[in-house]
Amino acid sequence: QVQLQESGPGLVKPSETLSLTCAVSGYSISSGYYWGWIRQPPGKGLEWIGYIYHSGTTYYNPSLMSRVTISVDTSKNQFSLRLTSVTAADTAVYYCARLPPDYWGRGTLVTVSS
Amino acid sequence: DIVMTQTPLSLSVTPGQPASISCKSSQSLLQSDGRTYFYWYLQKAGQSPQLLIYEVSSRFSGVPDRFSGSGSGTDFTLRISRVEAEDVGVYYCMQGTHIPLTFGPGTRVDIK
Repeated sequence: QVQLQESGPGLVKPSETLSLTCAVSGYSISSGYYWGWIRQPPGKGLEWIGYIYHSGTTYYNPSLMSRVTISVDTSKNQFSLRLTSVTAADTAVYYCARLPPDYWGRGTLVTVSS
Repeated sequence: DIVMTQTPLSLSVTPGQPASISCKSSQSLLQSDGRTYFYWYLQKAGQSPQLLIYEVSSRFSGVPDRFSGSGSGTDFTLRISRVEAEDVGVYYCMQGTHIPLTFGPGTRVDIK
């Protein structure tokens, strides 16, 4: 069974960088599929952030492209998200997932506040 | 970006009765490879979304056969043949044909 688990700080100050990691078990990232990040502001809908292939090829949502970096570490079977210059509008539950997505992590709430 | 529109936005259903949700995309979701990358998800309270239907009409592993999907091009429908109490939540459609991937606004389903 494929499992994903997000980890990272739950509180980030405005203008700083949000960093999250998604650990994958039950499937090797190197075997294929794209791996991505999706977020959901409290009480709102779902927004794609971007996704990555094990080769390092990435696709980002144009609305976030200037601030987002997604990277992969196949030796640790995990991938990561960095979002720079955060504001209160970036407060959300952040999910990692295997595309299309079929398997999701439980999500982690990140609050941007001083 | 492709805009996904869902109707209705909320639905109250009597257990055992059927229900359907419509999703329309602002452009055709038929990919040049002949496949249509359209999905349905259910997000139960406090949980991450779970995949119900992939590529328009294929049920994901473990999804009850009371769920079915249909459609083509820009118009898609999710049908629940007999709603059960465990089907409560928010249903989202999603397109994976065009970048960026986009979701519909969600349809909240509850039980009468």
